[in-house]
Amino acid sequence: ETGVTQSPTHLIKTRGQQVTLRCSSQSGHNTVSWYQQALGQGPQFIFQYYREEENGRGNFPPRFSGLQFPNYSSELNVNALELDDSALYLCASSLEQWSSYEQYFGPGTRLTVT
Amino acid sequence: AQSVTQLDSQVPVFEEAPVELRCNYSSSVSVYLFWYVQYPNQGLQLLLKYLSGSTLVKGINGFEAEFNKSQTSFHLRKPSVHISDTAEYFCAVSGGTSYGKLTFGQGTILTVHP
Repeated sequence: ETGVTQSPTHLIKTRGQQVTLRCSSQSGHNTVSWYQQALGQGPQFIFQYYREEENGRGNFPPRFSGLQFPNYSSELNVNALELDDSALYLCASSLEQWSSYEQYFGPGTRLTVT
Repeated sequence: AQSVTQLDSQVPVFEEAPVELRCNYSSSVSVYLFWYVQYPNQGLQLLLKYLSGSTLVKGINGFEAEFNKSQTSFHLRKPSVHISDTAEYFCAVSGGTSYGKLTFGQGTILTVHP
């Protein structure tokens, strides 16, 4: 059984640029959640996708957007990058949206905005 | 709205000593409670969870936690720690209309000294 994978591992971008982060769910999981973890902080919920539809969103601006594909992999897109967007971005997958307390996390993508 | 407070940002302890990491939560509805561990440069790994039933929950690596509804607490304990337990530990809650969203505490860095 393949776990949750994320790419790339690390990324450096310049303020104002756009970035796309990718996540492959654990086999059989149809729900993906994205979290932002700033340095020294706990993860914060960005949004969740269930069967290709956004299914809940945290307190993040619209420049944070996502996609989920038919194979349940997912992308997180961030436009107009700001310095405060520098963080570890974590993807988590789960079997069904209402069992999403069973969330399995990937290793994360470390984004640095300069 | 839900919130989680981890009462200690850092806990130093000697190897083979017992440890308790404290977590309090705030929620107006029934909750699910979790402890995750994060090793350096890695994602989150689920240690244990409370969904319902027995208030004493046993997890991986010899950890256990006790759900106390009257004190709104979910403290993590281990009777004898190892060097390899050195990591950051996060308490998290979900529930109510936010079953799909985990709300995390700020984290507790556990450092085990030889």
